[in-house]
Amino acid sequence: GAVVSQHPSWVICKSGTSVKIECRSLDFQATTMFWYRQFPKQSLMLMATSNEGSKATYEQGVEKDKFLINHASLTLSTLTVTSAHPEDSSFYICSARDISALENQPQHFGDGTRLSIL
Amino acid sequence: GQNIDQPTEMTATEGAIVQINCTYQTSGFNGLFWYQQHAGEAPTFLSYNVLDGLEEKGRFSSFLSRSKGYSYLLLKELQMKDSASYLCAYMDSNYQLIWGAGTKLIIKP
Repeated sequence: GAVVSQHPSWVICKSGTSVKIECRSLDFQATTMFWYRQFPKQSLMLMATSNEGSKATYEQGVEKDKFLINHASLTLSTLTVTSAHPEDSSFYICSARDISALENQPQHFGDGTRLSIL
Repeated sequence: GQNIDQPTEMTATEGAIVQINCTYQTSGFNGLFWYQQHAGEAPTFLSYNVLDGLEEKGRFSSFLSRSKGYSYLLLKELQMKDSASYLCAYMDSNYQLIWGAGTKLIIKP
């Protein structure tokens, strides 16, 4: 089946640090990748839709200058949390849609990155 | 907020059957998804319904009624490993997934 690799799986860093999270589709190409954030006991919240070769589409309330997204190839999207603060601590999950699949097909999820800002 | 609702928590006994309901309201609809999420892990895909009726996949089945804006996930022969959160999500007219808050299922021996 389709595999999405997300790295790192766990990050602990000091306040003010910038953190980069990678999302790779290993055995398929993805023009579209999605970045979610999930706080404890809450639902997945879509942060942005990452489109290969173009700017990401951010959801309302998500600061594009704080959460930088780059989708430079059909298999890699990165999310950089700039100048992270404790309130940015969360579980960040990426998902990808196979380029050859219909738009209503399931997204394939990475394993998530748990970010803890001290 | 998003118009999708599911119970917060359910408890069931090992070996039994449990039904997790999900209701939604949307003008544009491109299918209803169920995902399983164990604590600290990412969601894994369970099922997808776009037409009315029951989709069966092993111990798990999912039902959809588009006219009622209603779906359920049915888990049979419950095992301890089924303890997890179950997320329902509908895909809107822009092919964006709108997620429910998840139902935490607790399985007791």
